[in-house]
Amino acid sequence: DADVTQTPRNRITKTGKRIMLECSQTKGHDRMYWYRQDPGLGLRLIYYSFDVKDINKGEISDGYSVSRQAQAKFSLSLESAIPNQTALYFCATSDFHNNYGYTFGSGTRLTVV
Amino acid sequence: AQTVTQSQPEMSVQEAETVTLSCTYDTSESDYYLFWYKQPPSRQMILVIRQEAYKQQNATENRFSVNFQKAAKSFSLKISDSQLGDAAMYFCAYYGNQFYFGTGTSLTVIP
Repeated sequence: DADVTQTPRNRITKTGKRIMLECSQTKGHDRMYWYRQDPGLGLRLIYYSFDVKDINKGEISDGYSVSRQAQAKFSLSLESAIPNQTALYFCATSDFHNNYGYTFGSGTRLTVV
Repeated sequence: AQTVTQSQPEMSVQEAETVTLSCTYDTSESDYYLFWYKQPPSRQMILVIRQEAYKQQNATENRFSVNFQKAAKSFSLKISDSQLGDAAMYFCAYYGNQFYFGTGTSLTVIP
């Protein structure tokens, strides 16, 4: 099994619908992140969490919310999806030191029509 | 704020040849880490190589090596003996107290 698992792998949804992307990890890392990847823009941070009771906004949090249900689970919600939220979404984890970089999930390709 | 710049959106290399991908960054911190990630068509982000800023010696992982120039704030990735499986998007990343990613370089390997 993958260290960081994202579901679903691909999703098409309609404008205005609520959608949740889920992430679970077996790394035992405290820190979890949600990123969005768009062509030409690289990866941009949406939200991050350093432990279960800690939630922080990233640079592009508008239109998104998150929930850290457990140390191993971190979900991203789009309350009312819009077409410009069409992107590849990555969950990532890291240990306290971050010195060894992130462990990424395999991504969720979300299309909002 | 720290920034990471990859000035080459696309690169190509002949199979078995060597290619260098460029990355520059801006920081006022003295202690930090630099990374190169590979994203093949499968879209999985894979750590290729890591460099600790306090180490002068350039990191090497098999065919992958870096040229780390701390004063110039430059961190280029050299891929030797390029293989078809090296074709991917490559992202440079910086970590001081937060991660920052470049916009990526798409590498094509020509048979």
